[in-house]
Amino acid sequence: QKEVEQDPGPLSVPEGAIVSLNCTYSNSAFQYFMWYRQYSRKGPELLMYTYSSGNKEDGRFTAQVDKSSKYISLFIRDSQPSDSATYLCAMRYQAGTALIFGKGTTLSVSS
Amino acid sequence: GAGVSQSPSNKVTEKGKDVELRCDPISGHTALYWYRQSLGQGLEFLIYFQGNSAPDKSGLPSDRFSAERTGGSVSTLTIQRTQQEDSAVYLCASSAGTDYGYTFGSGTRLTVV
Repeated sequence: QKEVEQDPGPLSVPEGAIVSLNCTYSNSAFQYFMWYRQYSRKGPELLMYTYSSGNKEDGRFTAQVDKSSKYISLFIRDSQPSDSATYLCAMRYQAGTALIFGKGTTLSVSS
Repeated sequence: GAGVSQSPSNKVTEKGKDVELRCDPISGHTALYWYRQSLGQGLEFLIYFQGNSAPDKSGLPSDRFSAERTGGSVSTLTIQRTQQEDSAVYLCASSAGTDYGYTFGSGTRLTVV
């Protein structure tokens, strides 16, 4: 079992839809959780960063962490064609350790 | 510079040759990371530098891979005697410290023929 599991998709939705992206993990020691967005032939860019459990909102994006279920989510409201990209979850045990990434979910938003 | 710069952006090399990949992190960022991204495999951690500490080399897949970081800034990833399975995008990232997210470069796409 990999440490971080993420459904690769692809996920296709119409413009304006609410998108839910998820990752599960196996090690309860993870404390820091991030979501990155990667456009084709570009490096990943940081979208959301949360510590421990709870929710964090930034514009149309909401990140949720449920440590009891070892499950993290990214919600995108009012999705736009420009949101079409690969979304990677990432996590680490403590500050000073390298991030462990999921394989990414490819999202396509059609206009 | 404004972002993390990697060179070359593309590299085609013959099997058995050595290659060097370069990363210029954001000025002032103390942490630097190398990852490898293969189709369908996600991002695989390779090596991590933090300030003057000994690097975390735990992700290097074999002794053909090595990296150095000179003067706490520029880093070079070297792959000796390249193999076809080394073909991937090699991504470099830097961060302002150990408790921050990463800023990635656009990567070097390595193709071994």
